[in-house]
Amino acid sequence: NAGVTQTPKFQVLKTGQSMTLQCAQDMNHNSMYWYRQDPGMGLRLIYYSASEGTTDKGEVPNGYNVSRLNKREFSLRLESAAPSQTSVYFCASSETGSVYGYTFGSGTRLTVV
Amino acid sequence: SQQGEEDPQALSIQEGENATMNCSYKTSINNLQWYRQNSGRGLVHLILIRSNEREKHSGRLRVTLDTSKKSSSLLITASRAADTASYFCATLYGGSQGNLIFGKGTKLSVKP
Repeated sequence: NAGVTQTPKFQVLKTGQSMTLQCAQDMNHNSMYWYRQDPGMGLRLIYYSASEGTTDKGEVPNGYNVSRLNKREFSLRLESAAPSQTSVYFCASSETGSVYGYTFGSGTRLTVV
Repeated sequence: SQQGEEDPQALSIQEGENATMNCSYKTSINNLQWYRQNSGRGLVHLILIRSNEREKHSGRLRVTLDTSKKSSSLLITASRAADTASYFCATLYGGSQGNLIFGKGTKLSVKP
């Protein structure tokens, strides 16, 4: 099925460990995004990539890095995980300008202990 | 910081009733979108309304936009148990660098 695929779906990390969350879309969208969702906080933008080869910080970028590997793939890396990064992470993609709305992946539930 | 704020935070209704959720925002927008999130799932785009539109329909959904009051409402008519979900408004505005800014959502529960 066409859409946004995120891996893994669940992950438990120890404080200080690193990991990469993977995201791929097959809709030929230019723009891709990483959000985190915390209870009572809604969705907050971590990083985005308006087009292949570009990345920019969102509202809450500290502790994260991203790579836009090609047009399809946009990964999120936690270099040294902290308990405050326990959250549900969503990747999304869209045509440029968000005129048609975002397509979201099903999320990665990350727990840092 | 959130651009949009949904109201109420939670809403519980019986099947067949209408559900109305509201969204207020702070700055002028290009468009406003509504999304649904079922428990444990990703968000699904429902409907988009542009700043020069006042009302839009899609099936049982009706969205209104009042730019003078900086507010929008989502009406779900003849609700079903399957409509149980969280609903988020999201705004696109000049200062958001082409990115959607999401509110905190309204949790809708439709009882059979």
